[in-house]
Amino acid sequence: ETGVTQTPRHLVMGMTNKKSLKCEQHLGHNAMYWYKQSAKKPLELMFVYSLEERVENNSVPSRFSPECPNSSHLFLHLHTLQPEDSALYLCASSQDRKAVPGGELFFGEGSRLTVL
Amino acid sequence: RKEVEQDPGPFNVPEGATVAFNCTYSNSASQSFFWYRQDCRKEPKLLMSVYSSGNEDGRFTAQLNRASQYISLLIRDSKLSDSATYLCVAPLREGAGSYQLTFGKGTKLSVIP
Repeated sequence: ETGVTQTPRHLVMGMTNKKSLKCEQHLGHNAMYWYKQSAKKPLELMFVYSLEERVENNSVPSRFSPECPNSSHLFLHLHTLQPEDSALYLCASSQDRKAVPGGELFFGEGSRLTVL
Repeated sequence: RKEVEQDPGPFNVPEGATVAFNCTYSNSASQSFFWYRQDCRKEPKLLMSVYSSGNEDGRFTAQLNRASQYISLLIRDSKLSDSATYLCVAPLREGAGSYQLTFGKGTKLSVIP
């Protein structure tokens, strides 16, 4: 059983749709993350929220928009995606972002996205 | 360039074999690194942390060679349940006092009966 839950687990959407991925962590952590995992590529950090401060990977297209209303919830809003955005989107949390070099990431089971 | 490199495999080994994976990294002054395990269609989970003094947990031994900038994972007496992808994770320096956890592509291990 994971302390990080993601919904939906699977999502199929067209390029003109707008959808959102949701993540909730029950671990009392202060930092949450969105990662993208594509076939034969390493996990790619998309966004980090730590104590309501957002840090993002500048290479992430603007069609991905994160939202972190509080330390337990994280959303990834999706709009006008492309087929190459099809991937597994993983949410993770850690006690503290600054402690990450010595700490552990706890991942959700992921949301598998297919863009048609 | 910041990167973490791993041999993608697959490593196909018989039950009971010993198998070792290496991972090279660049540009990190961190004291700790990590091996994560990812089962097929599952999320990554922390397997071991790797410190300068190394780390051993049962059949698993992790070593850090800072001079050569590589991390190793040794699995002894392989079990069928060890079949998974093993992800090497290094905190690579972003700037002064700032690090980003950087994942390798993973090494796939298949333990066969």
